[in-house]
Amino acid sequence: GDSVTQMEGPVTLSEEAFLTINCTYTATGYPSLFWYVQYPGEGLQLLLKATKADDKGSNKGFEATYRKETTSFHLEKGSVQVSDSAVYFCALRVYSSASKIIFGSGTRLSIRP
Amino acid sequence: NAGVTQTPKFRVLKTGQSMTLLCAQDMNHEYMYWYRQDPGMGLRLIHYSVGEGTTAKGEVPDGYNVSRLKKQNFLLGLESAAPSQTSVYFCASTDDLLARTLYEQYFGPGTRLTVT
Repeated sequence: GDSVTQMEGPVTLSEEAFLTINCTYTATGYPSLFWYVQYPGEGLQLLLKATKADDKGSNKGFEATYRKETTSFHLEKGSVQVSDSAVYFCALRVYSSASKIIFGSGTRLSIRP
Repeated sequence: NAGVTQTPKFRVLKTGQSMTLLCAQDMNHEYMYWYRQDPGMGLRLIHYSVGEGTTAKGEVPDGYNVSRLKKQNFLLGLESAAPSQTSVYFCASTDDLLARTLYEQYFGPGTRLTVT
């Protein structure tokens, strides 16, 4: 079945460090891919998305490129800030009934000042 | 425009008690979802609805029931709570009628439930 595997955390970095959180997927068809972010005590928010191969999603300095050949959608940011501390979820949606999303297990990111 | 709201925010139940979680959205979305979030397991879909009066099972539906009597509300019920249902519950909604590229799920703030 369809699934998402993402890098286990927690990940701890110093401010201004480079961030990569790996995400790979298994899906039939042509999924749309997403990164959601969950700040402490809040629900999930869409961070970025890509709907076809080679698309690059970007938002708030974060980027991820839809790589069909490697079935990956790695999240990157060139210089992280303390305010980026959160849990990040990779997710996919296969275009079918009900618009269901399949989430990865989440990666907790902590940024040290 | 409040988006997606959930009540209550916190609740402690004893084993065997029942309760209902309420999700409300003011965006006129057709699709609504209930997820549970457990450590190391991401979000798992419990039940969902594709429109008023419809419900369907998700990945982990056992022990839960849902109702969608009004388009804006989606209720999640636990008839006889068990400790395994201790979790954080999230409601989400979306309107995916236009095109796949416009898809986004909007989440509520969550309900933290503890069953002792």
